[in-house]
Amino acid sequence: DVQLVESGGGLVQSGGSLRLSCAASGFTFSDYWLHWVRQAPGKGLEWVSRIRSDGSVPVYADSVKGRFTISRDNAKNTLYLQMNSLRAEDTAVYFCARDSRFHIDVWGQGTTVTVSS
Amino acid sequence: QSALTQPPSASGSPGQSVTISCTGTSSDVGDNDYVSWYQQHPGKAPKVVIYEVTKRPSGVPDRFSGSKSGNTASLTVSGLQAEDEADYYCSSYTGSKNYVFGTGTKVTVL
Repeated sequence: DVQLVESGGGLVQSGGSLRLSCAASGFTFSDYWLHWVRQAPGKGLEWVSRIRSDGSVPVYADSVKGRFTISRDNAKNTLYLQMNSLRAEDTAVYFCARDSRFHIDVWGQGTTVTVSS
Repeated sequence: QSALTQPPSASGSPGQSVTISCTGTSSDVGDNDYVSWYQQHPGKAPKVVIYEVTKRPSGVPDRFSGSKSGNTASLTVSGLQAEDEADYYCSSYTGSKNYVFGTGTKVTVL
């Protein structure tokens, strides 16, 4: 089965850092672009970042640019999101997701990040 | 990167049709044919129901259809069923090589 499993969420103070991981299985990880998408409590989906299959050309939403860094390790089939200078408004469920021709065809179950002020 | 605009809610009786609009700009929805739609049930991860404006993934009923005119895309759910009650989000690839989601629409089956 194709699967994405996020981990690394938790409670962190404002200004702190957290690194999320996403372990992939059931497909050739190095063939696919990947995304992070988040959803604040009771709110809609917000695209956060995307990285190409070879780890090049990361792109970010303006709301996280300069604070978050997306990366991947194709040898470990793992996607990462390094989150620095966290703010209360970064509180959300963070989904790892697989891209297929500019749409998302596989989603993880999400990991919850709570930033306390 | 403003979110695409969707109506907050839509509803219909079982068997009826409901259409959800998704309005963007010439830099996103109007720029390309990479508009997709996602269904999300409470507490669950989203699921794609339409991609590239009109295409349905395998396993998605043909009751779901998509279209686009200019800067506005639409999702129609025909023959509404109880399990169609969910939140729906549109999304578009943009000319800035990033992505944007819609504000979301809660569909209620009366």
